[in-house]
Amino acid sequence: KAGVTQTPRYLIKTRGQQVTLSCSPISGHRSVSWYQQTPGQGLQFLFEYFSETQRNKGNFPGRFSGRQFSNSRSEMNVSTLELGDSALYLCASSLTGRPHEQFFGPGTRLTVL
Amino acid sequence: EDQVTQSPEALRLQEGESSSLNCSYTVSGLRGLFWYRQDPGKGPEFLFTLYSAGEEKEKERLKATLTKKESFLHITAPKPEDSATYLCAVQAGANSKLTFGKGITLSVRP
Repeated sequence: KAGVTQTPRYLIKTRGQQVTLSCSPISGHRSVSWYQQTPGQGLQFLFEYFSETQRNKGNFPGRFSGRQFSNSRSEMNVSTLELGDSALYLCASSLTGRPHEQFFGPGTRLTVL
Repeated sequence: EDQVTQSPEALRLQEGESSSLNCSYTVSGLRGLFWYRQDPGKGPEFLFTLYSAGEEKEKERLKATLTKKESFLHITAPKPEDSATYLCAVQAGANSKLTFGKGITLSVRP
């Protein structure tokens, strides 16, 4: 069974730009969660989508948004990028999310200059 | 608010030297506690899920245990390939999000 895939793997952007990251979950998984990982804060929850609906949201500003499509693929968007948005963005999929295990993709490394 | 604390932050072991990694948590209504392994530049790799106090799970040289306040990841006779960051996370209440600890960086010298 193929794992979680994320594209692109690396991105370099400048302040003020916006970016869209993509995640394809494991086949059959309906829940997709997004996390931001930085050396200082560790892994922090951004949001979770289930059946095309946002089910949970973390404590991030409205510049961070996401969506899920009918095939469970998900995208997250960050608008008006700031230097502090530089991080590894991880996508995780699970069957239903509660309390099933979440399986992570390789991440997208975003660098904001 | 759910809190997860892992200790120590870093651990250096000699090959074959067994040890334990600690994860203490404060949550309301634990649904599951998860252990992950993360190698540099990669996403976390799922290791174990523990659901209730007293539960134990094993996989090769790793054994995870759970009490009402903490979890331990025991590493028996580690090898250099066990070097990685080990992350602990909890899922609580009706929320499906994972709350992670900062991780423990394990280095095993040959």
